Amino acid sequence: GQNIDQPTEMTATEGAIVQINCTYQTSGFNGLFWYQQHAGEAPTFLSYNVLDGLEEKGRFSSFLSRSKGYSYLLLKELQMKDSASYLCAVSGGYNKLIFGAGTRLAVHP
Amino acid sequence: DAGVIQSPRHEVTEMGQEVTLRCKPISGHDYLFWYRQTMMRGLELLIYFNNNVPIDDSGMPEDRFSAKMPNASFSTLKIQPSEPRDSAVYFCASSFLKTGSSYNEQFFGPGTRLTVL
Repeated sequence: GQNIDQPTEMTATEGAIVQINCTYQTSGFNGLFWYQQHAGEAPTFLSYNVLDGLEEKGRFSSFLSRSKGYSYLLLKELQMKDSASYLCAVSGGYNKLIFGAGTRLAVHP
Repeated sequence: DAGVIQSPRHEVTEMGQEVTLRCKPISGHDYLFWYRQTMMRGLELLIYFNNNVPIDDSGMPEDRFSAKMPNASFSTLKIQPSEPRDSAVYFCASSFLKTGSSYNEQFFGPGTRLTVL
């Protein structure tokens, strides 16, 4: 079966660092994506991992361990505008994405 | 580029009525996806097309839902008859595989918020 788990909600303080975890069990694996979705808006692409290790992109980094079925998204120097939902998605092949339920992050001053 | 265009942005209809959602993908993209998002079930893939051909419709809830892509620049998702449980935000997304890239980034449209009374 297909299963993607991530925490439902997280809170953090402006300027801090937060790590959002994602674990997955899928029948196929062609990479793992992270998307950001602000309330009332469409998801937008943040990162992609297909090999084990850390991918860094500015304030955001994403890590993947395929053997553990585990990924995390690391957000540094948090800003108020980072308050959003963060969706973990696994590509099972043929460009088909399976999304987790999303983690709603609230950043407080 | 205008991005993925969806219409209407909001639709309110009564149970039993036919609903048609429309999508124009980004020019040059050869994949088109229809998703549904609800609080209870999150973002679910309904169907996707490659070069206008349906590849996987296993996410379509039931026969009341149908999708077409008559050409590379237009797709529709139809619900007939609609039911209150169909209320959700419906997103269309498109993508293409860039030369030298190992992944397809999906670009999402703004969504259609459907309310069935």
